[in-house]
Amino acid sequence: NAGVMQNPRHLVRRRGQEARLRCSPMKGHSHVYWYRQLPEEGLKFMVYLQKENIIDESGMPKERFSAEFPKEGPSILRIQQVVRGDSAAYFCASSPIPSAGLMNTEAFFGQGTRLTVV
Amino acid sequence: KQEVTQIPAALSVPEGENLVLNCSFTDSAIYNLQWFRQDPGKGLTSLLLIQSSQREQTSGRLNASLDKSSGRSTLYIAASQPGDSATYLCAVSGNTPLVFGKGTRLSVIA
Repeated sequence: NAGVMQNPRHLVRRRGQEARLRCSPMKGHSHVYWYRQLPEEGLKFMVYLQKENIIDESGMPKERFSAEFPKEGPSILRIQQVVRGDSAAYFCASSPIPSAGLMNTEAFFGQGTRLTVV
Repeated sequence: KQEVTQIPAALSVPEGENLVLNCSFTDSAIYNLQWFRQDPGKGLTSLLLIQSSQREQTSGRLNASLDKSSGRSTLYIAASQPGDSATYLCAVSGNTPLVFGKGTRLSVIA
């Protein structure tokens, strides 16, 4: 059972370009979470998705950032018109469907995508 | 709003020492608490998951405790080794997805 797969591992973009980050959850997991880690900072929640639904996007910047988790294929985090401040490590985590009344599910993280904006 | 604090921010110990990392959280209404390890430039590896109804979990040389009412958790590492050098992150899950502390950067000196 492969773990959470993120690609690319490293991504370099010039200011103004678009960045697309991909995340394939663990087999059997239908919940995906995206986090951003700035240098010397903790991980900050961005967005929580189920298949074809955004459940919680309270951590997403209002502009330029979007996320999707289609019925088929990986979850995508898209950053349009990137700026230097977007340079960070972006991590994806997945968890299985919680059983009825049980929320104590373990989250598994991918290796991250390190975005550098030049 | 849940906030997670980890103390100390950095710790350096000689090989063989037992050590304790601390984590505190402001909202005790949590579902679980997870400890993770992060090596430089790498992803997160889950070490221990403590559910809200549990008091502690053990895995090898690691022992994590949870005092939900006081909003505290500790990660105890026995007989530390240079390979334990990494950043250790504490995260809590409640009505919002995992909220992380900034981590404790551990160096174990041979």
